[in-house]
Amino acid sequence: SQTIHQWPATLVQPVGSPLSLECTVEGTSNPNLYWYRQAAGRGLQLLFYSVGIGQISSEVPQNLSASRPQDRQFILSSKKLLLSDSGFYLCASPWDSAGGYTFGSGTRLTVV
Amino acid sequence: GQQVMQIPQYQHVQEGEDFTTYCNSSTTLSNIQWYKQRPGGHPVFLIQLVKSGEVKKQKRLTFQFGEAKKNSSLHITATQTTDVGTYFCAGHGGSNYKLTFGKGTLLTVNP
Repeated sequence: SQTIHQWPATLVQPVGSPLSLECTVEGTSNPNLYWYRQAAGRGLQLLFYSVGIGQISSEVPQNLSASRPQDRQFILSSKKLLLSDSGFYLCASPWDSAGGYTFGSGTRLTVV
Repeated sequence: GQQVMQIPQYQHVQEGEDFTTYCNSSTTLSNIQWYKQRPGGHPVFLIQLVKSGEVKKQKRLTFQFGEAKKNSSLHITATQTTDVGTYFCAGHGGSNYKLTFGKGTLLTVNP
């Protein structure tokens, strides 16, 4: 079965500082990978998705970027965080023929 | 772009009462998925519906996909405190790569 690892679980960063969140996937090869953000405990907003190494599609123009340096690794970055970047960041991947997505346990980011 | 709307935003019920959340898409969906997110947790996949008019059941949960494949519902019979959480619908529209989520319905259950 597929497992998605995310770290750290929580993060408090000052405005203007850089960010790097990592997501790694076990139990599958060449997965489609997604970064979602959930603000204020509600709706999930798709930020980026990747169908392969080095392939990134951006859904929302913003202060963030994503990279996929390895097959099972997906990284979310920012050079300078804004207050509005606070939220719950979730990495996800479709996992089997049932079509559902597996989510990592997420990173709660607070920008202060 | 594709939009997925859910109502209600919040629902508070007494334990034992039924609960229904509704999902509507601005475009025809190739499939609809449902997720549950417990407070403080991450979304967990419940089920996927693909066929027009499809109905699936998981114990006390009944999921329906509309005939036009633009709407769906989740019905919980005789809610329990373990049903507490936010229920999201999500659908693939024109792109199989993009799963668009509704804003969710937060269910609270009074024991």
